[in-house]
Amino acid sequence: QVQLKESGPGLVQPSRTLSLTCTVSGFSLTSYGVSWVRQPPGKGLEWIAAIWSGGSTDYNSALKSRLSISRDTSKSQVLLKMNSLQTEDTAMYFCARSYYYSGEDYFDYWGQGVMVTVSS
Amino acid sequence: EIVLTQSPTTMAASPGEKVTLTCRASSSVSYMHWYQQRSGASPKLWIYETSKLASGVPNRFSGSGSGTSYSLTINSMETEDAATYYCQQGSSYPNTFGAGTKLELK
Repeated sequence: QVQLKESGPGLVQPSRTLSLTCTVSGFSLTSYGVSWVRQPPGKGLEWIAAIWSGGSTDYNSALKSRLSISRDTSKSQVLLKMNSLQTEDTAMYFCARSYYYSGEDYFDYWGQGVMVTVSS
Repeated sequence: EIVLTQSPTTMAASPGEKVTLTCRASSSVSYMHWYQQRSGASPKLWIYETSKLASGVPNRFSGSGSGTSYSLTINSMETEDAATYYCQQGSSYPNTFGAGTKLELK
């Protein structure tokens, strides 16, 4: 069955770089895209970045200068890096499978999420 | 960027009550998708392409709408339906979500 699992450090110091990994199973990264979505405590969902089945990438324009998304298909992993972390980046970070068809995109499977706290 | 406005922000419904949640887009979109998120859990795809129920979603749920106005309806509220519901559009880059409607049991 389709599964996604996020991993990464729970605590990151301000101004440092965050590295998160999404390990997927039950589908191929060359057939589906994967997105990262975050949720600050008590708040709503924000799409951050996507890597598509062909390897192309998209980023939230507000965060684009600080983000990098990549993948290792041999390991079925999607990697997200965010630099210059600020306290406002404290959030639960989810990876989700993107179902993309005919110009329409939504998220049909989600990981459990990883909580990232930015604090000194 | 397309802004999605959900209403109400919070509401409470009694078991058996009919519930309607709305989502309005700042520009026309082709479809609307809905997610259910229970407390402490990750979001789940609930309704996709405006009116299609995701696997396992009870048929007391339905979705409708077009253009800039969409809705999610629960025909008869049940205890397990208490959750936050988010709408999402994927027609126009970037993907955006509404702020959510928190549905509580009365």
